[in-house]
This record gives sequence, structure tokens and C-alpha cells, in this order.
Amino acid sequence: SQKIEQNSEALNIQEGKTATLTCNYTNYSPAYLQWYRQDPGRGPVFLLLIRENEKEKRKERLKVTFDTTLKQSLFHITASQPADSATYLCALHPYSGSARQLTFGSGTQLTVLP
Amino acid sequence: NAGVTQTPKFQVLKTGQSMTLQCAQDMNHEYMSWYRQDPGMGLRLIHYSVGAGITDQGEVPNGYNVSRSTTEDFPLRLLSAAPSQTSVYFCASSYSPTGNNSPLHFGNGTRLTVT
Repeated sequence: SQKIEQNSEALNIQEGKTATLTCNYTNYSPAYLQWYRQDPGRGPVFLLLIRENEKEKRKERLKVTFDTTLKQSLFHITASQPADSATYLCALHPYSGSARQLTFGSGTQLTVLP
Repeated sequence: NAGVTQTPKFQVLKTGQSMTLQCAQDMNHEYMSWYRQDPGMGLRLIHYSVGAGITDQGEVPNGYNVSRSTTEDFPLRLLSAAPSQTSVYFCASSYSPTGNNSPLHFGNGTRLTVT
């Protein structure tokens, strides 16, 4: 069955370091992948979208990579700040799928320590 | 812009009661959807709509009904609440009618407890 795994439930890092979050998938051929941020008591907020034929996408301090051979996406936050503390979700969409097939991982809770 | 608005924010129901979760968006999005979020389970799609008058089932539709009479509104109805429906419910919309290649805009959720 199709499965999405995000590396760990919780990740703690020191302020100023680079945070790296992992999204692995099995039995899936995603056309594109999205990353969202979710703060406690709030809905997810879209951050980045990367397509299957794109290896890397950047937005300010954020960088996403997409390796279809390893079946993995990495999400990096450089020069991390306490304000980056949140849960980060990845979501995958298959080729020729309809909206119902956008599947979310369970998220990684990131804490940036001052 | 208000974006996606969900009401109520919190709700407690007894088993067997019914209620409607409200969702409205002011972005003229064709696509709207309902998700539930449970610890360790990720977001799971309940129902979705690609336009007024059109709805379809997602991954976990049992126990829930939806309708889409206008572009703006997409209410979710629980006909007979069960403890297994205790969850946080999110409404989301996107510009693309099919949801393809288009980010979702989420509301801030309704936390539902069924006792």
C-alpha cells in the first residue's frame, strides 16, 4: 500500500543551525510534492511545491529537494530561528490523480532552541 | 481577505447527536474539501467538491455528508455522532477545480469531541 513517512515526530535544533526534515514514500509515483507549515491550533499553511522533474526549489531560507530514485524529499531551513518552530507536513500528488489523491504525511514537529 | 473561515472552533457532542460544521471561503475557489486530523495519522480527506453542485467522497467518508449549493460554502454534516469522530476538522480550498498543482488554503479548524 502507499505510504508516506516523515523522519521523526520531533526534531530539536539550536538556533542558527540548518534544520533538515525528511519525507519518504513507498509504492507511489508522485507528480509533485508540497510542504506545509502548521502552528498549534491553526490550519496548515502552504510553503513550497516541487514537481517531479525539478530537483531543487528555493524560497528565502527554505530549500526543498526531490529525489525520485531514492523516493525522498528533503526540506531544509537555513539559519533557523525560534519562530521556525512548528510542525511541517509533506503532501504528495500522483500523476493523473484527482484532488482526492493528495496524501499527507503525519508531520515532523520542529523546535528551534534559542 | 478572510480566506477560509470555519465555525465553530470547538464543539462537544453526545453520541448520536447531529451537527453541521460550517466552512466559507471568499477567494472564489472552485475546489473545496474537508479533512480530519488525528494524532499520528496525518490529514485524511473526507469529502471534496470541484464546484457548486458537485461533491465526491474522499478516503474516510463514512458518517459524514456534504453539499455545495454555492461556490463560497461547503458545510460538513455529522448525522449521528460517534466517539470515533472525535478529531480536528479542517476545511481547505484551492483555485484549481481539480486540485492539481495548486496549493491548498486551510481554515483554522474545528475541534470536535464526541462523548
